[in-house]
Amino acid sequence: RKEVEQDPGPFNVPEGATVAFNCTYSNSASQSFFWYRQDCRKEPKLLMSVYSSGNEDGRFTAQLNRASQYISLLIRDSKLSDSATYLCVVRGSGTYKYIFGTGTRLKVLA
Amino acid sequence: DTAVSQTPKYLVTQMGNDKSIKCEQNLGHDTMYWYKQDSKKFLKIMFSYNNKELIINETVPNRFSPKSPDKAHLNLHINSLELGDSAVYFCASSHSNGGNYGYTFGSGTRLTVV
Repeated sequence: RKEVEQDPGPFNVPEGATVAFNCTYSNSASQSFFWYRQDCRKEPKLLMSVYSSGNEDGRFTAQLNRASQYISLLIRDSKLSDSATYLCVVRGSGTYKYIFGTGTRLKVLA
Repeated sequence: DTAVSQTPKYLVTQMGNDKSIKCEQNLGHDTMYWYKQDSKKFLKIMFSYNNKELIINETVPNRFSPKSPDKAHLNLHINSLELGDSAVYFCASSHSNGGNYGYTFGSGTRLTVV
């Protein structure tokens, strides 16, 4: 089993739609969780951290479910500019190593 | 005022050559990393240094040798380049206390071995 798993997609959604991605992780001792966004031929950029109680940043909502070992990202009112690959990232306890999922590709269609 | 800068941005070289990629960060972070992103877009950690000390050394051929002269710089030297080394190499930095700060990445070095 991979340490961090994501559905590669692509998710093709119309503008204005709501879309959600899940990511599962295998290490129950993982401590920090993030969503990154990577545009084609660019570096990954931090979209948001994921807190235990869930958190929201504008149209983006992140949730953590420790019992089932997954995190989710919800995007409301999708924009064309949201088209990108979304990477789930997990850091284990007492480690500097951040493990990246393979990413979920989102295409928002006009 | 670039936070994490890598040079060169593109590198095309022949098999068997030796090349270096440089990385510098001005964020005051004490931990730096090298990641490799292959053609399938999977980001895999190679090395990490914390305050000039090697703390992560994944299963990487010993043709790859990182060097950290100080905590703001982490360079990657590759000997005897092979076709399979073609990839995008990302440098990143973070605070060692991790927490919820995540990484900051450089813009990447696209290495093509011909």
